[in-house]
Amino acid sequence: DTAVSQTPKYLVTQMGNDKSIKCEQNLGHDTMYWYKQDSKKFLKIMFSYNNKELIINETVPNRFSPKSPDKAHLNLHINSLELGDSAVYFCASSQDTSGGGANVLTFGAGSRLTVL
Amino acid sequence: GQNIDQPTEMTATEGAIVQINCTYQTSGFNGLFWYQQHAGEAPTFLSYNVLDGLEEKGRFSSFLSRSKGYSYLLLKELQMKDSASYLCAVMDSNYQLIWGAGTKLIIKP
Repeated sequence: DTAVSQTPKYLVTQMGNDKSIKCEQNLGHDTMYWYKQDSKKFLKIMFSYNNKELIINETVPNRFSPKSPDKAHLNLHINSLELGDSAVYFCASSQDTSGGGANVLTFGAGSRLTVL
Repeated sequence: GQNIDQPTEMTATEGAIVQINCTYQTSGFNGLFWYQQHAGEAPTFLSYNVLDGLEEKGRFSSFLSRSKGYSYLLLKELQMKDSASYLCAVMDSNYQLIWGAGTKLIIKP
């Protein structure tokens, strides 16, 4: 049983389209995240939700909108896709944000988005 | 600003020992994490240090010196499967993770 699962694994689309990536965790964790990893392999936090509430919202274009229907799910919707959005998007979860081992992240397998 | 520095790439020989360094400058400190990421895969947790000293876990050990803003990951008895990127991340005073760009480790036979 996959702990953090995200779909789709691969996404190829045209500029200007709208797409969504879904994420689910079955670990009972309180906190979920979206990270972006570009071609230089640098991991950049985009959003973080704790018990369905947004707690981190980094400087990300408002074309990106996260949605957490419950604490086990965190989806990412992207409007008007641009070439620069091409990257691997990782969903992750942690027990909570209280520090120490509670902040260990479990990552999903990643969703590779290619915008043509 | 907050900054994590680690070498971009390192090469080592199978069976040998390698040390990957990480230096950091952050607003506060609530722990340092090491993750391993194989090409095309997700990062996986390796170790966590919050107090000074060495934490050993099998072939992997991680060291922390808070006064020097320095950590290293030590990999012993290197195996080909250890070829991966190793990411250093520090938790700041707001419990936010600051990530390094990762060190790509290449193991040669």
